[in-house]
Amino acid sequence: DAGVIQSPRHEVTEMGQEVTLRCKPISGHNSLFWYRQTMMRGLELLIYFNNNVPIDDSGMPEDRFSAKMPNASFSTLKIQPSEPRDSAVYFCASSMEGGNNEQFFGPGTRLTVL
Amino acid sequence: SQQGEEDPQALSIQEGENATMNCSYKTSINNLQWYRQNSGRGLVHLILIRSNEREKHSGRLRVTLDTSKKSSSLLITASRAADTASYFCATEETSGSRLTFGEGTQLTVNP
Repeated sequence: DAGVIQSPRHEVTEMGQEVTLRCKPISGHNSLFWYRQTMMRGLELLIYFNNNVPIDDSGMPEDRFSAKMPNASFSTLKIQPSEPRDSAVYFCASSMEGGNNEQFFGPGTRLTVL
Repeated sequence: SQQGEEDPQALSIQEGENATMNCSYKTSINNLQWYRQNSGRGLVHLILIRSNEREKHSGRLRVTLDTSKKSSSLLITASRAADTASYFCATEETSGSRLTFGEGTQLTVNP
């Protein structure tokens, strides 16, 4: 089992550029979560999907952030346009709803916006 | 404020000692989970305790849950330098399947 896969692992971009983060959940998991982690704010839930449908996007900071899950094996988190305050580590996690709801985290994408 | 709040924020102990971390929360929960995060890595699930359980063990880990006080503790016995990491509690509220994470306790185990 490869676990949750995220790409890229590191991204450095300039303010105003579009950034797309990618996630492949564990096969068979039906819930997918996007988190952002910073020193100041800790670990924040941005959005989560269940069976590819967005359930709660109340954590998405603003309209510059959008997330999609076109199928059960792929999700993207897009920031357009990016700003320096978006610099953080973004984690994707997946779980099987109806089970223990243990979440499996990917290795994260470290985003730096200059 | 976050649902889960860990205490202490940082803990430094010697190898072989026990480490105890606490977590408090505010709402009704289905379960409470503890995760570990090594520097630069994703979180790893350690143990889950359901709202109708009071204590659970897994290897050197012992978790307690007091729903009347809305608090939990994680005890790591006979700590090792490799236990150095941040530890987070996360609560699954009765209203849904999302988890709410606390701010974490940074544990340093000195060899």
